[in-house]
Amino acid sequence: EAQLVESGGGLEQPGGSLRLSCAASGFIFSSFEMNWVRQAPGKGLEWVSYISSSGSSIYYSDSVKGRFTISRDNAKNSLYLQMNSLRAEDTAVYYCARVGLIASRPLDCWGQGTLVTVSS
Amino acid sequence: DIQMTQSPSSLSASVGDRVTITCRASQNINIYLNWYQQKPGKAPKVLIYGASTLESRVPSRFSGSGSGTDFTLTINSLQPEDFATYYCQQGYTTPYSFGQGTKLEIK
Repeated sequence: EAQLVESGGGLEQPGGSLRLSCAASGFIFSSFEMNWVRQAPGKGLEWVSYISSSGSSIYYSDSVKGRFTISRDNAKNSLYLQMNSLRAEDTAVYYCARVGLIASRPLDCWGQGTLVTVSS
Repeated sequence: DIQMTQSPSSLSASVGDRVTITCRASQNINIYLNWYQQKPGKAPKVLIYGASTLESRVPSRFSGSGSGTDFTLTINSLQPEDFATYYCQQGYTTPYSFGQGTKLEIK
């Protein structure tokens, strides 16, 4: 069974950095595109970033562009999100999500989420 | 960027009711539209992809339709476990935007 497990969240001060990790198991990680999606407390889902299966194509939302970096290590079955220059509005649960092998790109497997809190 | 607009934002219904949630894209997204269900404290789960294809193990009381810019999610004969928040999401182009969500509550 496919599984994603995020880690690395926590409390960080404004301007600080955090690195989130997502460990994949139960599927051929290197064959799948991946996303990060976040959800601020009491709010809706916000797409954050995308990376292709090889890592050669990467996209970001405007709200994180220039501050966040998505990467992956297919040998380690792991996805990462390096978050720099953190702001209060980055406070959210961060989910990694697998993109299904279907044209409409459904996110068909999600982790449990890791909470990032940005506060002084 | 493509904006996804869901309506209503919230909805009260009773067990056994039929409900419809709509999602409108700001430009043509063909059928690259997915629907998710999220329960409190849990990650979202995909219900429907490609506008109308039911994900495996999703009950047949869920259905989706639409293409282009207008889409609907219909739930027939609501069950207690269906009370949750529903999101549409376009997979046509980045940013892969979500609708703002529809919270389905028990009347």
